[in-house]
Amino acid sequence: AQRVTQPEKLLSVFKGAPVELKCNYSYSGSPELFWYVQYSRQRLQLLLRHISRESIKGFTADLNKGETSFHLKKPFAQEEDSAMYYCALSKGGGNKLTFGTGTQLKVEL
Amino acid sequence: EAQVTQNPRYLITVTGKKLTVTCSQNMNHEYMSWYRQDPGLGLRQIYYSMNVEVTDKGDVPEGYKVSRKEKRNFPLILESPSPNQTSLYFCASSPRNDYEQYFGPGTRLTVT
Repeated sequence: AQRVTQPEKLLSVFKGAPVELKCNYSYSGSPELFWYVQYSRQRLQLLLRHISRESIKGFTADLNKGETSFHLKKPFAQEEDSAMYYCALSKGGGNKLTFGTGTQLKVEL
Repeated sequence: EAQVTQNPRYLITVTGKKLTVTCSQNMNHEYMSWYRQDPGLGLRQIYYSMNVEVTDKGDVPEGYKVSRKEKRNFPLILESPSPNQTSLYFCASSPRNDYEQYFGPGTRLTVT
């Protein structure tokens, strides 16, 4: 069965510091991986997906099949990055998603 | 405005009283899903639908029913709610496989 693990419930960093939100997955096939973000009082929304290989709001994530990881990184944290971040895995398509338990990122001044 | 809407946004009910949470999308999306969000457990998929009259179980379908009679609507039905179904529920839609899911605002359900 597929599983997504986000080991940190809360990550607190200072503004300007690098950020890395960890995500590990277990899945026997070729996974589609996503990062979703939920800002305070807003809807859950897609941040980025691994197949697009793009940087959104300064965030990047690289799929490492050897380590079965999809960590989310940003070199310099901003206050507006404070939010709940969910890593998600899709088995054979974007509709059936398995989410991790989420990491609350808090960026302090 | 393209969006997913859910009603009601907040609901407090008693054990055993049937309820329906509606979900509607105006983006002509084929796929729709229901999730529940619980502290420490993240989001878990309850049911999903690939098109009209096509539905399938997610990871936690017990105690829930869904129907997809029209493309735009995907109601979640709790025939006999129990306190362990107290949760925050999200509906989502997407145009096809491999596309991002668009989430509704959430419905906070309390079953006493």
